[in-house]
Amino acid sequence: GQQLNQSPQSMFIQEGEDVSMNCTSSSIFNTWLWYKQDPGEGPVLLIALYKAGELTSNGRLTAQFGITRKDSFLNISASIPSDVGIYFCAGRNYGGSQGNLIFGKGTKLSVKP
Amino acid sequence: EAGVTQFPSHSVIEKGQTVTLRCDPISGHDNLYWYRRVMGKEIKFLLHFVKESKQDESGMPNNRFLAERTGGTYSTLKVQPAELEDSGVYFCASSPKGEKLFFGSGTQLSVL
Repeated sequence: GQQLNQSPQSMFIQEGEDVSMNCTSSSIFNTWLWYKQDPGEGPVLLIALYKAGELTSNGRLTAQFGITRKDSFLNISASIPSDVGIYFCAGRNYGGSQGNLIFGKGTKLSVKP
Repeated sequence: EAGVTQFPSHSVIEKGQTVTLRCDPISGHDNLYWYRRVMGKEIKFLLHFVKESKQDESGMPNNRFLAERTGGTYSTLKVQPAELEDSGVYFCASSPKGEKLFFGSGTQLSVL
């Protein structure tokens, strides 16, 4: 089946540093989504991307939909302790039923104050 | 407004037993989804309801898993008999039109 390669698996950074993570796929997606999961909670949508080349910001978060439609990245600027959690990319491809998202394995972010 | 709620939050059972997970979607959301995350791996789609009908159940692992959504409100996911590899976190999500999914906190299932 389709898979998303998400990297890095984990990151340990100092508060104030910028963070970058990305996802790649061998298949084309028509939607890319980035979610964050806090401990004991379900994933919460951070940013949704719908067009190739689209660059979208949400506060300190910026995400881009790759031109080839096979990749996406998420940047977090000036990290703070509450950024800690697991970040998942997810894609939805042409022909996939609404909501049938394919997820990456997640990037676990740790922020040292 | 209440979010997606799942019950129980944790379940520990022995191999061969039966477990039923429940999901209450956000009121008015016709779309309901079940996903599962096995430790360290990706979150995988299981199935999708539109109201009481199964729209897509291509992700269901095998016939030991049975999902229902009678009346188009809450949903249950039953695993019978449970096996060790069924352990993981089971997430439910709901959506009004299928674009933005709202996830519950999940049920952590441990099969011993």
